[in-house]
Amino acid sequence: EPEVTQTPSHQVTQMGQEVILRCVPISNHLYFYWYRQILGQKVEFLVSFYNNEISEKSEIFDDQFSVERPDGSNFTLKIRSTKLEDSAMYFCAIELTIRTGGDGYTFGSGTRLTVV
Amino acid sequence: GQQLNQSPQSMFIQEGEDVSMNCTSSSIFNTWLWYKQEPGEGPVLLIALYKAGELTSNGRLTAQFGITRKDSFLNISASIPSDVGIYFCAGRASGTYKYIFGTGTRLKVLA
Repeated sequence: EPEVTQTPSHQVTQMGQEVILRCVPISNHLYFYWYRQILGQKVEFLVSFYNNEISEKSEIFDDQFSVERPDGSNFTLKIRSTKLEDSAMYFCAIELTIRTGGDGYTFGSGTRLTVV
Repeated sequence: GQQLNQSPQSMFIQEGEDVSMNCTSSSIFNTWLWYKQEPGEGPVLLIALYKAGELTSNGRLTAQFGITRKDSFLNISASIPSDVGIYFCAGRASGTYKYIFGTGTRLKVLA
């Protein structure tokens, strides 16, 4: 059973529509992240989330994006009004600790978002 | 912004050969990670490095944290067909939660 489950695995949406991507970690990790990967390109940081608030975000993570952990379990990424260039694989990552000697990130299997 | 240059971009090798790839940065990192990604999957952590000069192995994989803290290397010995995939390095600087990912090395192994 994977440590991080992401749903849906693939979503097709009309431009301008809102989408919510979900991430469910198996165990009680403290640090949550969203990354995206445009087809054929490198993995890019979007946002980090700790203690129920955003701790860091990139310039990609503009006002169209938001994250929350509504029930203490699911970790969601919302894109309010999708654009064509939002088409990408979106990966959730978790980390138990960021102290030296931690275990690095565990990534989910991703959600492929296609905006048409 | 911080950039990670990963090389080579792609490699075609014969089964049984050894593979070397590296990442270089213009800035110092405190942590280096190496991931492998297969089509349609998320990156899978191979090796984590936390100390300059550190050399760590995971089976046939060996990675090193460069002394300057601006580079890292991954070696795969005696490659096999299932080593096929894209290998990414990722570095984290102090005072930040995020990792910067390299551009990836696409490895193909010919049986």
